[in-house]
Amino acid sequence: AQSVTQLDSQVPVFEEAPVELRCNYSSSVSVYLFWYVQYPNQGLQLLLKYLSGSTLVKGINGFEAEFNKSQTSFHLRKPSVHISDTAEYFCAVSDRGAQKLVFGQGTRLTINP
Amino acid sequence: EAGVAQSPRYKIIEKRQSVAFWCNPISGHATLYWYQQILGQGPKLLIQFQNNGVVDDSQLPKDRFSAERLKGVDSTLKIQPAKLEDSAVYLCASSSSRGETQYFGPGTRLLVL
Repeated sequence: AQSVTQLDSQVPVFEEAPVELRCNYSSSVSVYLFWYVQYPNQGLQLLLKYLSGSTLVKGINGFEAEFNKSQTSFHLRKPSVHISDTAEYFCAVSDRGAQKLVFGQGTRLTINP
Repeated sequence: EAGVAQSPRYKIIEKRQSVAFWCNPISGHATLYWYQQILGQGPKLLIQFQNNGVVDDSQLPKDRFSAERLKGVDSTLKIQPAKLEDSAVYLCASSSSRGETQYFGPGTRLLVL
């Protein structure tokens, strides 16, 4: 069975500063990895995904993530954040057969002016 | 392309009452999922359908929760009778038959008093 650990429940940063949201997973099989964003009172929106190939994945809104198989990590980064990035971010994993997503607990990103 | 539709968006009921949620997936998507998201946690899969058949309902509390997808398109999730701990956001998602990526609806926020 897979599991996901998001290492920070809350991350406050100043506007235009860089940010990294950390995600570690455990799985005995090959996986797909995802980052979703959830704005207040909304559903989940896909930011980016790693399926195969290049370990550096670029997504929407200037976000990127790097898959590190040896460290079983998939950290999300953005070089310069904006107030509009304030949201909850979820890391998720699925095995390549079942399509079942297992989510982390979420990281609340707060951007201060 | 229209996204995943859910209704109602909000529902308040008293414990021991029944409630039903509706989901219409993205057109052509064979796989449909229902997730429960309790405040402060990541979404947890309740049930997964492939067309109108159940693929995984291992985490569905079957004594009170039921779900159906009769014509392989839209789906309903029912809770009867509701408990206080059922207060959560219920998210519906869909993916294509070979799709790795799930697309989420806006969710239904349930409050049980």
